[in-house]
Amino acid sequence: DAGVTQSPTHLIKTRGQHVTLRCSPISGHKSVSWYQQVLGQGPQFIFQYYEKEERGRGNFPDRFSARQFPNYSSELNVNALLLGDSALYLCASSSAGGTFNYGYTFGSGTRLTVV
Amino acid sequence: GENVEQHPSTLSVQEGDSAVIKCTYSDSASNYFPWYKQELGKGPQLIIDIRSNVGEKKDQRIAVTLNKTAKHFSLHITETQPEDSAVYFCAASTPSNTGKLIFGQGTTLQVKP
Repeated sequence: DAGVTQSPTHLIKTRGQHVTLRCSPISGHKSVSWYQQVLGQGPQFIFQYYEKEERGRGNFPDRFSARQFPNYSSELNVNALLLGDSALYLCASSSAGGTFNYGYTFGSGTRLTVV
Repeated sequence: GENVEQHPSTLSVQEGDSAVIKCTYSDSASNYFPWYKQELGKGPQLIIDIRSNVGEKKDQRIAVTLNKTAKHFSLHITETQPEDSAVYFCAASTPSNTGKLIFGQGTTLQVKP
């Protein structure tokens, strides 16, 4: 079975541009979360979606947005890119939802470089 | 606010020795504590987790202990092997519907042959 797949694996953008990152969860998983991992640090929570509804939002500016589609795949959008947005963006999926926060499987991430 | 402190930041052991990584959490409502292993160029991989109604959990060479009173939990790896070399992250989560994991800063484990 395929794990969590993310695309693209790498990309380079210029300051001020917009980027869309994509994630396909494990088949049957309805919960998708997004994390930002800056080099040398632990992942920081950005969003969680469950059954196409936003369930949680981390401490990120409104330039960050996301959505989940009927097939449970998800997109993370970042507008007006800043140099500080350079990071590894991770997607995680789980079969649990609601108040059960366990069993998250992470994808390999998208490495975003803003120049 | 919510915070997870992880120590040490780097750990070097000889093959066959044991390794211990410790984490402390701030939110007493936290009830789920996973540990992830991250290899270069890959996403974090769940290696073991524990819930707050359990004090210890073991899976082959890996064990996790939880002290709710002191708000800390630890990862123990016995009989370390070179392939255990990676960055290890602890995390904590509260019973909410936000799906939010709070991660520690990570520990780089090097197992020398």
